[in-house]
Amino acid sequence: KNEVEQSPQNLTAQEGEFITINCSYSVGISALHWLQQHPGGGIVSLFMLSSGKKKHGRLIATINIQEKHSSLHITASHPRDSAVYICALNTGTASKLTFGTGTRLQVTL
Amino acid sequence: NAGVMQNPRHLVRRRGQEARLRCSPMKGHSHVYWYRQLPEEGLKFMVYLQKENIIDESGMPKERFSAEFPKEGPSILRIQQVVRGDSAAYFCASSPSNRPNEKLFFGSGTQLSVL
Repeated sequence: KNEVEQSPQNLTAQEGEFITINCSYSVGISALHWLQQHPGGGIVSLFMLSSGKKKHGRLIATINIQEKHSSLHITASHPRDSAVYICALNTGTASKLTFGTGTRLQVTL
Repeated sequence: NAGVMQNPRHLVRRRGQEARLRCSPMKGHSHVYWYRQLPEEGLKFMVYLQKENIIDESGMPKERFSAEFPKEGPSILRIQQVVRGDSAAYFCASSPSNRPNEKLFFGSGTQLSVL
């Protein structure tokens, strides 16, 4: 069993829809990262969470440490949100991250 | 303040040649991480370096791969005698400290293609 599982693997949404991407993990962590990988390949760090909830613009990330679960929400989705969203675990050693396989999001007009 | 710079963006090598991938961290960052993304697979940790030191190389293949981060200049990931299976996107990331909750800044990656 993988230490980190993301769902769904692929997601298609229409512009304006509310989107949720889930990440479940099975190990103890010091932090969880949400990353965005654009079609061109570049990776951007969206959030780093160790508890609670963070918000940045239309993006919201939550984490429940007891349930070992995190969600990334996108409100009022837009085609420019189309990307692969990756959940990554920090299990304690600096930033030697363990990555999920990603959720490929396509937002259409 | 320039971000993490990786070069080249694309590198083509024939089997048996050497590949050198460079990563210049953000200004003020002394911690560098290399990750590999094989086709249709997720990212995998390779190596963590601080200036002049390899801290954790547990994700590096045992042979042909090496990494360095000299006192001056960029971090280098070196792959000797490349094989087709080395074709992948190689990303580096940097941070200003080794705290577990430190935000990472990623480069744009080097796409290595081995013919």
